[in-house]
Amino acid sequence: GAVVSQHPSRVICKSGTSVKIECRSLDFQATTMFWYRQFPKQSLMLMATSNEGSKATYEQGVEKDKFLINHASLTLSTLTVTSAHPEDSSFYICSASATRDVSSYEQYFGPGTRLTVT
Amino acid sequence: AQKITQTQPGMFVQEKEAVTLDCTYDTSDQSYGLFWYKQPSSGEMIFLIYQGSYDEQNATEGRYSLNFQKARKSANLVISASQLGDSAMYFCAMREGEMNTGFQKLVFGTGTRLLVSP
Repeated sequence: GAVVSQHPSRVICKSGTSVKIECRSLDFQATTMFWYRQFPKQSLMLMATSNEGSKATYEQGVEKDKFLINHASLTLSTLTVTSAHPEDSSFYICSASATRDVSSYEQYFGPGTRLTVT
Repeated sequence: AQKITQTQPGMFVQEKEAVTLDCTYDTSDQSYGLFWYKQPSSGEMIFLIYQGSYDEQNATEGRYSLNFQKARKSANLVISASQLGDSAMYFCAMREGEMNTGFQKLVFGTGTRLLVSP
């Protein structure tokens, strides 16, 4: 099956610093990538959707300037949490869709990145 | 309004027994897709099963089957012959959007924690 990796798997940073999380599709071209956030014992909440070569589409309530998303190639999307604060501590998960073919329904999820802001 | 409702925060089942995890959904779209994912403590999201709104037969994947009742807007997951490794969080999700948009946004329920006992 299709494999999606995330790096780093865990990161601890100090308040006020920025953190970049990478999401890579290893064996397929991801035309669309999704970024989710999951608080402890809660569900996944979609933050934004990014298509290769275009600006990300953010969900309502998600700050674009705080969560910068770059989908520079068909295999890589990055999420940068700028000026991180403790309330940004969460589990961030990316997923990738292999094609714009609407009959292809599956999203492939990365293993997630646990961010802790101290 | 909640689009995906999972009313069971936790479920217990004995090994080798079957268990049903409930999921109801709300959409006005004619075309949609329903998913079940498993999330073990490691955090990765594991795709289990998919049901398209136009699929006439209930989806099955090994020990997993989806009891799709369109009129009731329910998509319950049935796990047969439970195994200890089935202990995890289970999320129901819905893909919304018309078929020609190529946009596969997923909305997740709050999840059900399943514990399988020996």
